[in-house]
Amino acid sequence: AQSVSQHNHHVILSEAASLELGCNYSYGGTVNLFWYVQYPGQHLQLLLKYFSGDPLVKGIKGFEAEFIKSKFSFNLRKPSVQWSDTAEYFCAVNEEDYKLSFGAGTTVTVRA
Amino acid sequence: GAGVSQSPSNKVTEKGKDVELRCDPISGHTALYWYRQSLGQGLEFLIYFQGNSAPDKSGLPSDRFSAERTGGSVSTLTIQRTQQEDSAVYLCASSPAGQSLNYGYTFGSGTRLTVV
Repeated sequence: AQSVSQHNHHVILSEAASLELGCNYSYGGTVNLFWYVQYPGQHLQLLLKYFSGDPLVKGIKGFEAEFIKSKFSFNLRKPSVQWSDTAEYFCAVNEEDYKLSFGAGTTVTVRA
Repeated sequence: GAGVSQSPSNKVTEKGKDVELRCDPISGHTALYWYRQSLGQGLEFLIYFQGNSAPDKSGLPSDRFSAERTGGSVSTLTIQRTQQEDSAVYLCASSPAGQSLNYGYTFGSGTRLTVV
């Protein structure tokens, strides 16, 4: 079974700071990778996804992620965060054709 | 409907009672998933439906957990003789058939279950 590790449990930063959230997975074969976000009081939403091609993927709200196959990583980045980016972020990797395995999540708190 | 709808949004139950959680997926989505999110944990896969059948129910934690889906639409997750460790947010997601990973899942808002 897949294992997905998110390195940071809780990240606190100020507005305009840069954000990078780590994600590593255990599977050595072909993978599809996702980042989901859950804003306070809202349901999980897809932030971005990687299937193939350019390993640098751009998503909504200025987020991007880079797939580094040799490191089994798919880190999420945003150059300048806003207060509205306060949320919980989940990395996910496909398992089988239909199942996603999720990391434990990283809570991001942005201070105004 | 416009999104995945789950009910109830919150449920408090006494230990030992049975509970039913409902999921109404997006119209036309034939794939439906149940996940569980416990405090400090990631999302734990419970069961996958394709139409009315469940080809993967490997994540159900015990035989107290069961799920069904009828008419290729609404799904019910039933937990019998609830225990305190069942307390969690139960999430439902749906996706179009054969395209689960092209679009990811669409999640509902979840049911927060508290067993006291």
